[in-house]
Amino acid sequence: KAGVTQTPRYLIKTRGQQVTLSCSPISGHRSVSWYQQTPGQGLQFLFEYFSETQRNKGNFPGRFSGRQFSNSRSEMNVSTLELGDSALYLCASSLGTGGINYGYTFGSGTRLTVV
Amino acid sequence: GENVEQHPSTLSVQEGDSAVIKCTYSDSASNYFPWYKQELGKRPQLIIDIRSNVGEKKDQRIAVTLNKTAKHFSLHITETQPEDSAVYFCAARVNTDKLIFGTGTRLQVFP
Repeated sequence: KAGVTQTPRYLIKTRGQQVTLSCSPISGHRSVSWYQQTPGQGLQFLFEYFSETQRNKGNFPGRFSGRQFSNSRSEMNVSTLELGDSALYLCASSLGTGGINYGYTFGSGTRLTVV
Repeated sequence: GENVEQHPSTLSVQEGDSAVIKCTYSDSASNYFPWYKQELGKRPQLIIDIRSNVGEKKDQRIAVTLNKTAKHFSLHITETQPEDSAVYFCAARVNTDKLIFGTGTRLQVFP
């Protein structure tokens, strides 16, 4: 059974550019959540999608957006990149929302560096 | 609010000793509390979880306890081994169905 696949693994972007990250969940999982991981801040919740609908949103500016497709694959977009957006972006898939029944399975993440 | 506090931020123990990591949560409606282990350069992985209708759960050397009244839960690792060295994250599922994580505890087990 394939795990959670995130692409690309690494990205280097210039301040002001925009970026799109992709996450393919485990087959059959309908929930995809996105987290930003930075040293000292742990895992900060960005948003969660379930069956193509955004179920929850964290406290990030509107420059951060996402969507989910009918095959449960999800993308997140960050526009007008800032230096502080440099982080590891992790997505997690689950059968149910909030990981209640089976927990989250995380992808390997996309490491974004903004220069 | 929706907040999970985790302590300590770093923990060093001798191999064979026990390690305890504590978390407190603010949303009294929280009903699910997982713990994740993240080894260096790897993805977080679920190691144990507990639901709000249970006070304690064990899995070999790992145990989690939950005190709903005080709104805190703890991870206990007994007979620690060098391979237990990692960053551990607690999390709480809040009533909006989000999973909110603590800021992590870096555990170092010295041989």
